[in-house]
Amino acid sequence: DSGVTQTPKHLITATGQRVTLRCSPRSGDLSVYWYQQSLDQGLQFLIQYYNGEERAKGNILERFSAQQFPDLHSELNLSSLELGDSALYFCASSVTPGVESYEQYFGPGTRLTVT
Amino acid sequence: AQTVTQSQPEMSVQEAETVTLSCTYDTSESDYYLFWYKQPPSRQMILVIRQEAYKQQNATENRFSVNFQKAAKSFSLKISDSQLGDAAMYFCAYRSRDNYGQNFVFGPGTRLSVLP
Repeated sequence: DSGVTQTPKHLITATGQRVTLRCSPRSGDLSVYWYQQSLDQGLQFLIQYYNGEERAKGNILERFSAQQFPDLHSELNLSSLELGDSALYFCASSVTPGVESYEQYFGPGTRLTVT
Repeated sequence: AQTVTQSQPEMSVQEAETVTLSCTYDTSESDYYLFWYKQPPSRQMILVIRQEAYKQQNATENRFSVNFQKAAKSFSLKISDSQLGDAAMYFCAYRSRDNYGQNFVFGPGTRLSVLP
């Protein structure tokens, strides 16, 4: 168990709809990363937050948005969903001040199916 | 910007044999971290091994070891005594030594099959 939680585990929705994916980082971690992984593909970096502020942006569509809240949990909002948005969405956390640990810890992912 | 390359999209190994997965990276930084992650069919991302660039000694975790060649910007993963459970996608990753973890780059992955 990495300590990173993601909800829901599975989500099935229709095209055109909007969904929100939630992530709680490991206790003490200030950074949250979001990734998209389509079937048999690599990890596509979407966005990173550090202590509530956006720090890095990857190939995130304009239909997607994210935020990190004061309690450090993060939400990824996907709107106007298309069939191609069906994927596994990972959240990862990292960076606990004062702790020498530099890897990312991944949650179990949210499997999104758009029909 | 840093890049990570894994030139072997797929590899296979016989059970109990040894296999080496390749990874190269491009950076102008002198201090950074490198990682190998494993993604089995369950699709959970699992950290296999980490290496700090300032350490000359290659990291080892049980049957997993790395060959870190800083000058060549190469970071290969060796799996000894391969087991069926080692079958997975393996991702090489790079992280800058910054305070925010904002420069974390993954390679495209290598799919490893283990043959009984």
